[in-house]
Amino acid sequence: EPEVTQTPSHQVTQMGQEVILRCVPISNHLYFYWYRQILGQKVEFLVSFYNNEISEKSEIFDDQFSVERPDGSNFTLKIRSTKLEDSAMYFCASGDRVGGTEAFFGQGTRLTVV
Amino acid sequence: GESVGLHLPTLSVQEGDNSIINCAYSNSASDYFIWYKQESGKGPQFIIDIRSNMDKRQGQRVTVLLNKTVKHLSLQIAATQPGDSAVYFCAEAGGTSYGKLTFGQGTILTVHP
Repeated sequence: EPEVTQTPSHQVTQMGQEVILRCVPISNHLYFYWYRQILGQKVEFLVSFYNNEISEKSEIFDDQFSVERPDGSNFTLKIRSTKLEDSAMYFCASGDRVGGTEAFFGQGTRLTVV
Repeated sequence: GESVGLHLPTLSVQEGDNSIINCAYSNSASDYFIWYKQESGKGPQFIIDIRSNMDKRQGQRVTVLLNKTVKHLSLQIAATQPGDSAVYFCAEAGGTSYGKLTFGQGTILTVHP
């Protein structure tokens, strides 16, 4: 069964450092998303991406965040200068229909900022 | 503003019982709803979805009910098994935000053998 894969599974970084979280969406999907989940809290939308551009982003997704699809298979989330409060699970998701319908989530990357 | 919330944060049932997990939403413009299951250390896993033009949809051992009048969504799991133990989230989309899912707080379901 096709799945969304994310690397690394766990990333520890120092405050102020840049991190890049990587995702390989399901191959025939056209819609890509990043969500995050702070420990014990609900899953929060960050950004959606379609046709090589951001289609929607949340208030969380400020200038420190960026997304890129550098080739035909990868989808990355970059945090330019990490803060302690960026510590969370980051989930990538992909779907083949607008609206997040049946969006398939990856296993997540646990980001710890120290 | 938009919000999706859950009535019960925890639910404990015996194996074989039926489980009902509830969710309230406040955005009247929402027209698409999804239930996700999240096991420890894993990402949300799609269970079942329903559009606002329906009030019931059935899957394998699961049924989702939508009451638009009171903006309430429920997930029924028949013959609950220990493997169903997880956190269950409802999520909604629609209105002007088709590319964005708004998740509820989550209900922890524990199934005792």
